[in-house]
Amino acid sequence: GIQVEQSPPDLILQEGANSTLRCNFSDSVNNLQWFHQNPWGQLINLFYIPSGTKQNGRLSATTVATERYSLLYISSSQTTDSGVYFCAPPEWGNTPLVFGKGTRLSVIA
Amino acid sequence: DAGVTQSPTHLIKTRGQHVTLRCSPISGHKSVSWYQQVLGQGPQFIFQYYEKEERGRGNFPDRFSARQFPNYSSELNVNALLLGDSALYLCASSWSDTQYFGPGTRLTVL
Repeated sequence: GIQVEQSPPDLILQEGANSTLRCNFSDSVNNLQWFHQNPWGQLINLFYIPSGTKQNGRLSATTVATERYSLLYISSSQTTDSGVYFCAPPEWGNTPLVFGKGTRLSVIA
Repeated sequence: DAGVTQSPTHLIKTRGQHVTLRCSPISGHKSVSWYQQVLGQGPQFIFQYYEKEERGRGNFPDRFSARQFPNYSSELNVNALLLGDSALYLCASSWSDTQYFGPGTRLTVL
């Protein structure tokens, strides 16, 4: 099945800093989602991004499906951005989603 | 609209017991998927149901079973609980290509 690798595994930022999270996947995909898991375990949808670039406030994401990677950009980070970020392409068709181990982000005031 | 809801929020069981977890999808969503997330890992797919039919099953033992009801809500059942079943169980409903997750049920097996 498809393999997902995320980097870095851990990231500590000062509030206000910018960061880039990377997601590599082993096979071609027709969609991909980014999630933020908050400290209470809730997975929050950030982006559905099979290709191209999308922006939502301080967050943006880019997927280059032909090169099998996606990037999540966080600008002007805030303490509320802390948590684990997952990318998840589907195993087949549109589901089920395959998750990597995530990037654990800690933003310090 | 309400999001995906799950019950109970937390659950403590002992080895060998049985557990039932419940999920209500977002109104209008006909597909429900279940995932297991153990500490430090990403969620792992268990089951997907669409229109009350099983559409996919992950690599989990037969102790795990699920079903979907006519109102599209779903139950996940786990028999003969093991310590290793301790995890956060997540339910997701989907519309088109996007999955939306509930808050999860945290199961502890002692």
